[in-house]
Amino acid sequence: DAGVIQSPRHEVTEMGQEVTLRCKPISGHDYLFWYRQTMMRGLELLIYFNNNVPIDDSGMPEDRFSAKMPNASFSTLKIQPSEPRDSAVYFCASSPGQMYGYTFGSGTRLTVV
Amino acid sequence: AQSVTQLDSQVPVFEEAPVELRCNYSSSVSVYLFWYVQYPNQGLQLLLKYLSGSTLVKGINGFEAEFNKSQTSFHLRKPSVHISDTAEYFCAVSDWDYKLSFGAGTTVTVRA
Repeated sequence: DAGVIQSPRHEVTEMGQEVTLRCKPISGHDYLFWYRQTMMRGLELLIYFNNNVPIDDSGMPEDRFSAKMPNASFSTLKIQPSEPRDSAVYFCASSPGQMYGYTFGSGTRLTVV
Repeated sequence: AQSVTQLDSQVPVFEEAPVELRCNYSSSVSVYLFWYVQYPNQGLQLLLKYLSGSTLVKGINGFEAEFNKSQTSFHLRKPSVHISDTAEYFCAVSDWDYKLSFGAGTTVTVRA
């Protein structure tokens, strides 16, 4: 198994531009999570899906952020418009169930200038 | 949501010495507990987990952790560290809502 695959690994964009981060979960994992990691705030859960349905998006910072999961093998996190304070590492993780823990992707390092 | 406190932000340790990373969580209800490791520029990897049963849990790379319900703690230990154990370690707790709450992390630096 290739694990959780995220793309791109690095993204540098200008303030105001739209950014789309992509994630392919492990096949058979019903749960998908998007986290953001910064030095100041640590790991923050943004949103999670169960069977492609968003369950809890209370961590999404504001309307500029949106996430979709059109099928079991693909999810996107979009930021429009991007701002410098969005600079962080964004992780996608998937899980077959609560007691198994999560498998994390390698992350996307986003820099907004 | 659960609250997770990692009591040490930085732990320097010499190679082949023991290390203990401390973790406390907020709830006394049944929870699942996890330790993850993050090497530089990588994602988080699961070290070990506690679901139920024996309070001493063994994980990968020689790590183990002990669950203490009365003290709501889940401390991580390794009897002899290597240079390659230099990384950031995260304690995490999951309860009924399937979400993992992470601590702030402990950076372990192993010196020769």
